[in-house]
Amino acid sequence: GAVVSQHPSWVICKSGTSVKIECRSLDFQATTMFWYRQFPKQSLMLMATSNEGSKATYEQGVEKDKFLINHASLTLSTLTVTSAHPEDSSFYICSADNRHSNQPQHFGDGTRLSIL
Amino acid sequence: KQEVTQIPAALSVPEGENLVLNCSFTDSAIYNLQWFRQDPGKGLTSLLLIQSSQREQTSGRLNASLDKSSGRSTLYIAASQPGDSATYLCAVSSGNTPLVFGKGTRLSVIA
Repeated sequence: GAVVSQHPSWVICKSGTSVKIECRSLDFQATTMFWYRQFPKQSLMLMATSNEGSKATYEQGVEKDKFLINHASLTLSTLTVTSAHPEDSSFYICSADNRHSNQPQHFGDGTRLSIL
Repeated sequence: KQEVTQIPAALSVPEGENLVLNCSFTDSAIYNLQWFRQDPGKGLTSLLLIQSSQREQTSGRLNASLDKSSGRSTLYIAASQPGDSATYLCAVSSGNTPLVFGKGTRLSVIA
C-alpha cells in the first residue's frame, strides 16, 4: 500500500538551531501534504496545508516565518522550524494526499523534536 | 467550524471485553470519517474509513458505524486484547478541507 516516509524520527538540538523535517510519499504522487503538531495527550492540530508548486496555507496562529514549508515536488515536502526554542518542542506529523484519487490521507510516523 | 469530540477520554478494561468508543461531530456535512490508532510516540495507523454514504465498515474485530444525520460514529472492538492498548482517534473530512481530529480515547486493555 501507499507509504509516507518522515525523517528524522527524533531530533534533539540546542535552542536557536533550525531543524528540517522531510516528508516523502514513496509510491504515489502527493498533490497535497499536511503538517500537524501534537502536544502530549492532545490531538493533532493542523499547522499548514501545502499544494505542490504553490505556497503553503497556514492555519490561524501558526507563524509562517517560523515554520517554513516547501512542497517543490509531488513526492517531497519539508518543514523547517527556524531558530527553534524549547516551546517548539513537540511531535510533528505529516500526511499526504492525492486529490485526484479517492484514497484517504496517508500519515508519516512523526518526528519528535526536543529543543534544549 | 467543525468540532470533533471523543468520549470517553480514557478507558481501562479487562482482556476479552467488548467495548465501544464514541465520536461526535458538529457539522454533518462530511465527506468521510476515519478511525485511527496511535501508539505512544508513533504516527497514525488508519483502521477504518467510512464514506458519508455508508453506515458501517468492518475489519476483523473492529466495526465502525456512522450516523451522519446525528453527527455520531462508534468504534466497536470485540474481544479486546492487551495489544489493542493505544490511543484511538476519530477524524472527519469535509471534502477538500483537512481532517479535523478529536482528542482521542486512550485505551488500556489489562491482561
